Amino acid sequence: QVQLQQSGPGLVKPSQTLSLTCAISGDSVSSNSAVWSWIRQSPSRGLEWLGRTYYRSKWYNDYAVSVRGRITINPDTSRNQFSLQLNSVTPEDTAVYYCARSGRGYDYWGQGTLVTVSS
Amino acid sequence: EIVMTQSPATLSVSPGERATLSCRASQGLSSNLAWYQQKPGQAPRLLIYGASTRATGVPARFSGSGSGTDFTLTISSLQSEDFAVYFCQQYNNWPPGGTFGPGTKVDIK
Repeated sequence: QVQLQQSGPGLVKPSQTLSLTCAISGDSVSSNSAVWSWIRQSPSRGLEWLGRTYYRSKWYNDYAVSVRGRITINPDTSRNQFSLQLNSVTPEDTAVYYCARSGRGYDYWGQGTLVTVSS
Repeated sequence: EIVMTQSPATLSVSPGERATLSCRASQGLSSNLAWYQQKPGQAPRLLIYGASTRATGVPARFSGSGSGTDFTLTISSLQSEDFAVYFCQQYNNWPPGGTFGPGTKVDIK
């Protein structure tokens, strides 16, 4: 059974960096068939895919246009986890953030982390 | 970017009745569409992928149909645990992580 456990702060100040981690059990971040994504959800933007990392003989990353230039997603093979960093946050980045695995659809999700951007 | 729309925004249904939810894409998706159920305070749960294939453990009362730009999720006989918000998601085209519809809330009539 795959489980994704998120960790990270729920409050970030404007202009600072949002950092979250997703620990994987029951699968491997280096799997040749899985893709690991970050998705956020807010009343104003709905469910929004932010980016992904995956391994196919080498590591690949893709990022949404809306956050490109501010986002980094990194795998950590030693800890079997992956992370999200979102720089220069504003109140518009306030949302529930999820990590998720996709194969055909997002079949496993983390528990979600409400991140509020406020001073 | 493909835009997903869902109708209706809210669907009021009595337990035991049938619910039919619609999802439309701004461009053709072939069958690269998924449906999710979300309850308050929970992450979305995958119900359907490939437009019509039920995910592991999903009851048979949930069925998906459609291809191209028009898709339907049908719940044949609503149970109390089915009252939730339902989202469709395309994964056929950019962005690679797909785009989600705004959701249909199914509530008790």
